[in-house]
Amino acid sequence: DGGITQSPKYLFRKEGQNVTLSCEQNLNHDAMYWYRQDPGQGLRLIYYSQIVNDFQKGDIAEGYSVSREKKESFPLTVTSAQKNPTAFYLCASSIQNRGRAFFGQGTRLTVV
Amino acid sequence: EDKVVQSPLSLVVHEGDTVTLNCSYEVTNFRSLLWYKQEKKAPTFLFMLTSSGIEKKSGRLSSILDKKELFSILNITATQTGDSAVYLCAVESNTDKLIFGTGTRLQVFP
Repeated sequence: DGGITQSPKYLFRKEGQNVTLSCEQNLNHDAMYWYRQDPGQGLRLIYYSQIVNDFQKGDIAEGYSVSREKKESFPLTVTSAQKNPTAFYLCASSIQNRGRAFFGQGTRLTVV
Repeated sequence: EDKVVQSPLSLVVHEGDTVTLNCSYEVTNFRSLLWYKQEKKAPTFLFMLTSSGIEKKSGRLSSILDKKELFSILNITATQTGDSAVYLCAVESNTDKLIFGTGTRLQVFP
């Protein structure tokens, strides 16, 4: 089955801890994205990557970090510098220059 | 700063009504505009628009883009309860940056 897999679905973190959200795709897509969604809100872009070993900040990158060492993988680390990390996180991918992003099922992160 | 603005934020209608959702944008190096439907978790793709004035249709849903006025509309005719969802508009730049609006929450009651 081709698609995007995010794990875990639910994640609890203590304040002050870093946590990494996984995103893997087997669609052979070049571009990958991370979004944050708060209740009643749209999707806000955290980071995106067009190719391996390159990525750009989105609108709300502070307190987050990413890597793109492999085409299939784009993990997101939520660092302790992110003051309000509780949210729903969505990963997406698309063929470069072709739009139409495909989404994973999301990870709901809760800080306890 | 790139931005996508959707209106209204929320809409409540009865089954059978027709609704129009709006999306305006200011994006550097526009490539395409996309509409998605989000019911529970992952948004699902509806339309991608790249050219002005050409209507895209899928069943009771249709959408059109105006690149001169920088907006798009999504129409849903004869609404059903299954249309209840958040409808998201996104704009892609030619650097692959994909920016979403805040969404329109549509509730359709029987």
